[in-house]
Amino acid sequence: EADIYQTPRYLVIGTGKKITLECSQTMGHDKMYWYQQDPGMELHLIHYSYGVNSTEKGDLSSESTVSRIRTEHFPLTLESARPSHTSQYLCASSEPRAGDTEAFFGQGTRLTVV
Amino acid sequence: AQSVTQPDIHITVSEGASLELRCNYSYGATPYLFWYVQSPGQGLQLLLKYFSGDTLVQGIKGFEAEFKRSQSSFNLRKPSVHWSDAAEYFCAVGAPGTASKLTFGTGTRLQVTL
Repeated sequence: EADIYQTPRYLVIGTGKKITLECSQTMGHDKMYWYQQDPGMELHLIHYSYGVNSTEKGDLSSESTVSRIRTEHFPLTLESARPSHTSQYLCASSEPRAGDTEAFFGQGTRLTVV
Repeated sequence: AQSVTQPDIHITVSEGASLELRCNYSYGATPYLFWYVQSPGQGLQLLLKYFSGDTLVQGIKGFEAEFKRSQSSFNLRKPSVHWSDAAEYFCAVGAPGTASKLTFGTGTRLQVTL
């Protein structure tokens, strides 16, 4: 059982609001990722981090930002939510020191912006 | 750039029947290949993975997959499907030599009829 947690699971919020999606893992993994999944669509990497104070943008452009101040925590922030941000956001982690052979996923946050 | 194609968007099988989900990849080197399953409202669970060696890999829940380099395929199979297998299945390829920065296919939704 993977120990990676996302909160909230579901969020409905109005346009223009600032939101932060939380992701925490207790496995001590160096690498963490955010994927965006639109309904019925594939997952796209939007952010990743290879360690504390390291963040990079992924393949899909996103207006969100991330931070990595602690190894276990990788929050994603939207400064001003818009309906186009409605999606499911999945956080994941992997560990290069263990061969980096598996990415563990959280249960996701389903965001709806109205 | 790497890419993954899952040609079947939706498949329906009867309980007890065999299953094969197709996955084709485009990659410049020896790929790290994965199959994940996603139940409604849940995150992703790893079914199996291939890095090297034996081209037939066994996974959890009775699933297996065969890597065929000549066909650039990594098809998922199960001899006898159970109603609980109904879910979304994603094929993915990782960044060189790792499970990092996964590129996913569009997924195949499996429906199981009783």
